[in-house]
Amino acid sequence: NAGVTQTPKFRILKIGQSMTLQCTQDMNHNYMYWYRQDPGMGLKLIYYSVGAGITDKGEVPNGYNVSRSTTEDFPLRLELAAPSQTSVYFCASSTQQGVNEKLFFGSGTQLSVL
Amino acid sequence: GQQLNQSPQSMFIQEGEDVSMNCTSSSIFNTWLWYKQDPGEGPVLLIALYKAGELTSNGRLTAQFGITRKDSFLNISASIPSDVGIYFCAGHRGAQKLVFGQGTRLTINP
Repeated sequence: NAGVTQTPKFRILKIGQSMTLQCTQDMNHNYMYWYRQDPGMGLKLIYYSVGAGITDKGEVPNGYNVSRSTTEDFPLRLELAAPSQTSVYFCASSTQQGVNEKLFFGSGTQLSVL
Repeated sequence: GQQLNQSPQSMFIQEGEDVSMNCTSSSIFNTWLWYKQDPGEGPVLLIALYKAGELTSNGRLTAQFGITRKDSFLNISASIPSDVGIYFCAGHRGAQKLVFGQGTRLTINP
């Protein structure tokens, strides 16, 4: 009963380094999302996908890239890490969009950029 | 972007006390959702509300969709230690993506 799985759990990057945050779900959900959580700021949508091969920008996409080659996987790429990208990142998936959208979240990746 | 304002930002209570928190907006929402985040974990959906005035319970938790459609409330009765965490409200406006509040952090003194 894995649900949404994120790796790694923690990561420290130096400024300018790149990395990929992995996300996979085994619920056959079409919709997948990446959020970042900053202290006292709630969750901000970075990118989302409505199905394999289709991605779109959310509220805070700058500095990130995504791809969706399969239904299961939705990796988030940071190309040139900056201190402003220090945050906790959550991947989520859902079966529907709109008013019936209910998100299932992974356990998060805590990223520090120093 | 749209904002959901949660109040209070943090709460420190004694075990056994009842808890009330709310979420307000200047805009009308079609759906209100309440999530709970345990330390080190992702948020988990507690309650979903779809109609103005709707009152829904999940065990000791009760949530209401405000009549004006601009607010929602969450109550927890007889709090226990495992209620500790951050509670987020979230809402839908039309076809737009889900918007989250900034969270209410609940701490319980045994």
